[in-house]
Amino acid sequence: KAGVTQTPRYLIKTRGQQVTLSCSPISGHRSVSWYQQTPGQGLQFLFEYFSETQRNKGNFPGRFSGRQFSNSRSEMNVSTLELGDSALYLCASRPYVARANTEAFFGQGTRLTVV
Amino acid sequence: AQKVTQAQTEISVVEKEDVTLDCVYETRDTTYYLFWYKQPPSGELVFLIRRNSFDEQNEISGRYSWNFQKSTSSFNFTITASQVVDSAVYFCALSEAPYSGGGADGLTFGKGTHLIIQP
Repeated sequence: KAGVTQTPRYLIKTRGQQVTLSCSPISGHRSVSWYQQTPGQGLQFLFEYFSETQRNKGNFPGRFSGRQFSNSRSEMNVSTLELGDSALYLCASRPYVARANTEAFFGQGTRLTVV
Repeated sequence: AQKVTQAQTEISVVEKEDVTLDCVYETRDTTYYLFWYKQPPSGELVFLIRRNSFDEQNEISGRYSWNFQKSTSSFNFTITASQVVDSAVYFCALSEAPYSGGGADGLTFGKGTHLIIQP
């Protein structure tokens, strides 16, 4: 069974640009969450999607957005990139959304560097 | 608001030593779930264990064991006879139950403990 796949693995962008990251969850999983990992702030929850709807959102500015497609694949977009957006972006999938007791399975992440 | 504290930023031990990683959490909910994840250099978070707030039984899985104590809001992780392959960053995380007032705002992670096992 394939795991969570994130593309691309590495990305370098210039300040002010926008970027789109992609995540394919484990087959059969319908919930996709995104997390940002930085040395200073650690792992922070961005948002969670289920059935193409955003169900939860963390404390991030509106420059961070996402969507989920009918096949459960998800994309997140960051517009007007800032240097502080440089981070490892991790995607996680779960079978359901309203099941806090189910573990999330993570991808290897996309390492975004903003210069 | 929920919070997870991993006070140990980095731990270095020699192979075969036992090591305990501490995790202290804060939550207003009576129903919640605790997790431990391992992050090797490759980046992905690997699930290790889940524990719900109603189950205070300790758990042992091979060389790994977990001690959950609600009285001290702690969920500590012990590796017995550590091996070099155990070197990684370990995260403790908390999730509150939905529809209980706490919301389902994803997992709240601690800052992680970087475990270094020296040969």
